[in-house]
Amino acid sequence: QSALTQPASVSGSPGQSITISCTGTSSDVGSYEFVSWYQKHPGKAPKLIIYEASKRPSGVSSRLSGSKSGNTASLTISGLQAEDEGDYYCCSYAGYSHVVFGGGTKLTVL
Amino acid sequence: EVQLVESGGVVVQPGGSLRLSCALSGFTFNDYTLHWVRQAPGKGLEWVSLLRWDGSATSYADSVKGRFITYRDNSRDSLYLQMHSLTVEDTALYYCAKEMFGTKWSAFDHWGQGTLVSVSS
Repeated sequence: QSALTQPASVSGSPGQSITISCTGTSSDVGSYEFVSWYQKHPGKAPKLIIYEASKRPSGVSSRLSGSKSGNTASLTISGLQAEDEGDYYCCSYAGYSHVVFGGGTKLTVL
Repeated sequence: EVQLVESGGVVVQPGGSLRLSCALSGFTFNDYTLHWVRQAPGKGLEWVSLLRWDGSATSYADSVKGRFITYRDNSRDSLYLQMHSLTVEDTALYYCAKEMFGTKWSAFDHWGQGTLVSVSS
């Protein structure tokens, strides 16, 4: 049950686009469409922003999008805004009723 | 409105035991698989355990298997995490979370605010 691999940090200026990668293995990300992404601010509970690799829950901005190819999933945020700053975590089903998270990525809006 | 409210987090000595509770409301929790997820100070999210929607099965991360037990009490609309043989590595904010769909894994669509467990002598 190794954690999924995410970059520790990414940054971008307002209006720019950024992409956060999430690399797993053929036992988790590569085998299932059940990759989700969460935004987390300090002192707050995680918020679901992408599920099943590319679907957005109701109320989540269309500036956020997800994709998956092979063992790697990606979250793209376009038109960066100050409110996007925070920590982002990917998550995947890993079979046998196990779930695995990525190590998290800190997004800084410059 | 779906709500999950954790409680029970305290300071406990290494080797001790503790039970966390998660009060559930706003949904029929017999229809959803429920999970515990934790976040150690300065660290990322770590999945801890799940209890299947029909109560038929549980699953645990290797880091807690054999020490933690998750179960629910339908009469109290609550989910529990019984923790034994605690170590300093178990120090974390513990969240309960609800799966998005009833009978298939997808994502966690609702989370509680967390309860803090500190293992220290």
